[in-house]
Amino acid sequence: DAEITQSPRHKITETGRQVTLACHQTWNHNNMFWYRQDLGHGLRLIHYSYGVQDTNKGEVSDGYSVSRSNTEDLPLTLESAASSQTSVYFCASSPAVGQGKSYEQYFGPGTRLTVT
Amino acid sequence: AQSVTQPDIHITVSEGASLELRCNYSYGATPYLFWYVQSPGQGLQLLLKYFSGDTLVQGIKGFEAEFKRSQSSFNLRKPSVHWSDAAEYFCAVGGYNKLIFGAGTRLAVHP
Repeated sequence: DAEITQSPRHKITETGRQVTLACHQTWNHNNMFWYRQDLGHGLRLIHYSYGVQDTNKGEVSDGYSVSRSNTEDLPLTLESAASSQTSVYFCASSPAVGQGKSYEQYFGPGTRLTVT
Repeated sequence: AQSVTQPDIHITVSEGASLELRCNYSYGATPYLFWYVQSPGQGLQLLLKYFSGDTLVQGIKGFEAEFKRSQSSFNLRKPSVHWSDAAEYFCAVGGYNKLIFGAGTRLAVHP
């Protein structure tokens, strides 16, 4: 069965360190997204990609970067981790228009990141 | 500005009672609307979606939602709540390949 996976599921890191969160999907979806979830804010979009070599900033992109070198993966990098980036991070994917069920996003299980 | 408002942060209902979770949106074009559910420690699962057509849509787990354009609402309903429905519920509105989420409503179910 197709799926979307995230690793690690839990991560503790120190302020100032670079951290990379992995996201891998086997749906063959063109679109991939990274969100952070914080109490009272729901899910906020960090970065997204509509295909290989395409990346775009979301509403809370400062301090984060992504790269898309293939269809399956969209790693999220925190360049210099800050305590404000302690959160739960979700990756999602969706088919592009014409690929199938547009707009419906499929979510990974999440990564809980703690920055100390 | 595009936004989604879920006015109720927490709701508590008794098992077997009916449920309605409210969702209001602001969106410039014809919206695509979604309800997702998140169980503790899990990712988000799609409950139902509205793209066009019949304004009353049926989803999984016995949930339904009604799109009311005049009220900019997409409220989620269930006639009889089960203890396993305790979770957090998110309403979302979408355009071209992106979604905007509400802050969520946390549902507690009393036995």
